[in-house]
Amino acid sequence: QVQLQESGPGLVKPSETLSLNCIVSGFSISSGYYWGWIRQPPGKGLEWIGSIFHSGSTFYNPSLKSRVTLSVDTSKNQFSLKLSSVTAADTAIYYCAKEVVYFDYWGQGTLVTVSS
Amino acid sequence: QSALTQPASVSGSPGQSITISCTGISSDVGGYNYVSWYQQHPGKAPKVMIYDVSNRPSGVSNRFSGTKSGNTASLTISGLQAEDEADYYCSSYTSSSRVFGGGTKLTVL
Repeated sequence: QVQLQESGPGLVKPSETLSLNCIVSGFSISSGYYWGWIRQPPGKGLEWIGSIFHSGSTFYNPSLKSRVTLSVDTSKNQFSLKLSSVTAADTAIYYCAKEVVYFDYWGQGTLVTVSS
Repeated sequence: QSALTQPASVSGSPGQSITISCTGISSDVGGYNYVSWYQQHPGKAPKVMIYDVSNRPSGVSNRFSGTKSGNTASLTISGLQAEDEADYYCSSYTSSSRVFGGGTKLTVL
């Protein structure tokens, strides 16, 4: 049973960097596939942030590309998101997901609030 | 990249059928047979209901079906049930990005 779990601070100050990890269990990241991050502002729709292959190659949403960095740590079976220079507009539930052209397994999501 | 276009809301009575459209462009929906649909209940993570335009994952009711014509994909739910009331999102995969629709709120009357 594939499971994903997001972890990280629930509160980040404006202009700082948001950092989240996604721990994967029941499946080895090294086996392949893309691993993605999606966010959802409160009461709004889903927005794809970016995806990373197990080898480290990445695709980013053009609107966020200048501020996003994805990385993968196969030894810990986890992948990570860093979003720099955050503002209140980055307040959202952040989901990590396994991707096989579509997102077949999702984490439960973690709410990150940007506020001073 | 722009979000795919979905109606903000649709509604139907139990037992009826509804269809949700998802319009993109030739470089996303129209260019790939990689459209997926997600159901999201309040406070829950999205769940894939349709992938690759018309395929259902194991465990998803056959009341859910998907099609595509040109730059527009559609999700049809037949025999509406109260449990189908949720938000629905379409998504398209491209070689360099992924994009979601704005979401459609389905109300079962």
